[in-house]
Amino acid sequence: GAVVSQHPSWVICKSGTSVKIECRSLDFQATTMFWYRQFPKQSLMLMATSNEGSKATYEQGVEKDKFLINHASLTLSTLTVTSAHPEDSSFYICSTWGGTQYFGPGTRLTVL
Amino acid sequence: RKEVEQDPGPFNVPEGATVAFNCTYSNSASQSFFWYRQDCRKEPKLLMSVYSSGNEDGRFTAQLNRASQYISLLIRDSKLSDSATYLCVVTGGRSKMRFGAGTRLTVKP
Repeated sequence: GAVVSQHPSWVICKSGTSVKIECRSLDFQATTMFWYRQFPKQSLMLMATSNEGSKATYEQGVEKDKFLINHASLTLSTLTVTSAHPEDSSFYICSTWGGTQYFGPGTRLTVL
Repeated sequence: RKEVEQDPGPFNVPEGATVAFNCTYSNSASQSFFWYRQDCRKEPKLLMSVYSSGNEDGRFTAQLNRASQYISLLIRDSKLSDSATYLCVVTGGRSKMRFGAGTRLTVKP
């Protein structure tokens, strides 16, 4: 399966700051990447589909101005949580498509 | 109604037991089906794909019933290392994977 990395693996920040999460496809070129969020004891919820060289497609209810996605290369997509608040604290996971989806190790965000 | 529904459990079984998980999905146009395993605070990892003909991988057997929109996972001879949350996943194509909330399994000595 595909190898996907995420950085950072965890981050703690103050309310109102912005946090950038990187997702890298290490062993193949990914034109499409996916960003998910998972709250404790809940299922993964798709936030957006990141498309290389074009705008991301956001799921209903996800604020595109708050969750900025950039997919500037075939191996890197970034998610920036702008003006983070405690309710944004969650487990953020990216994935790439390779017949099925292969997930990065996730980023645990805690907003104080 | 949720797109993918699973019994959240928890299922607590002794080592060596056989345990079965069920999952139902609402979108009859769904094309691909998977079981993923997620350990605590980790990312989901693909366990197996699910086909209409049924498929088996060692101690794990998956079944798909399109008419009833129902997927199952059977684990035989449970091991301690099988303790995890099992996610039922349904997709209509290369995007829009829909996840069940997961079924938590604990295998005890």
